[in-house]
Amino acid sequence: DAGVIQSPRHEVTEMGQEVTLRCKPISGHDYLFWYRQTMMRGLELLIYFNNNVPIDDSGMPEDRFSAKMPNASFSTLKIQPSEPRDSAVYFCASSFRDTYSPLHFGNGTRLTVT
Amino acid sequence: GQNIDQPTEMTATEGAIVQINCTYQTSGFNGLFWYQQHAGEAPTFLSYNVLDGLEEKGRFSSFLSRSKGYSYLLLKELQMKDSASYLCAGSSEAVYNQAGTALIFGKGTTLSVSS
Repeated sequence: DAGVIQSPRHEVTEMGQEVTLRCKPISGHDYLFWYRQTMMRGLELLIYFNNNVPIDDSGMPEDRFSAKMPNASFSTLKIQPSEPRDSAVYFCASSFRDTYSPLHFGNGTRLTVT
Repeated sequence: GQNIDQPTEMTATEGAIVQINCTYQTSGFNGLFWYQQHAGEAPTFLSYNVLDGLEEKGRFSSFLSRSKGYSYLLLKELQMKDSASYLCAGSSEAVYNQAGTALIFGKGTTLSVSS
């Protein structure tokens, strides 16, 4: 199994530009999560999906952030327009439906907004 | 709401034993998890506790007291490769009734192991 695959690994962009992060979960996993990690705030849950349906997006910072999951094997997190304070590592993770199944994280996308 | 607290940093020497504590406050509870994260890498699952008591996995053990909202991760026979951040995580209050697995993470404890 290839694990959770995220792209790109690194993204550097200028303030005001649109950024799209991509994620392919592990095949067969029912849940997909987007997290953001910074030194100050640690690992924060942004949004998660169950069977491609968004369940809780209360962690999305503001309307500039949006996430979609058009099918079971693909999800995107979009920031438009981007701001310097969005600079962070963005992780995608997936898991099985079982409550105690561990999360499997992708390698993350390091986003730098200048 | 929910809150998870753990020390920011700890140091130890090779071969020693270290205990990393975690306290949590959540109105729902679906288990307490521990993850390891090496610098520049993704978090990886270490252990979870659902019931009170100690769960042992080789050099790593995790303990849970639900009545006290307390957990710890015990690392024995420390090795240099154990230098990493250790993240305590619990279930989100918002998803408790949906049997979801969305985890809320503490900020992590950075463990430095020296020779």
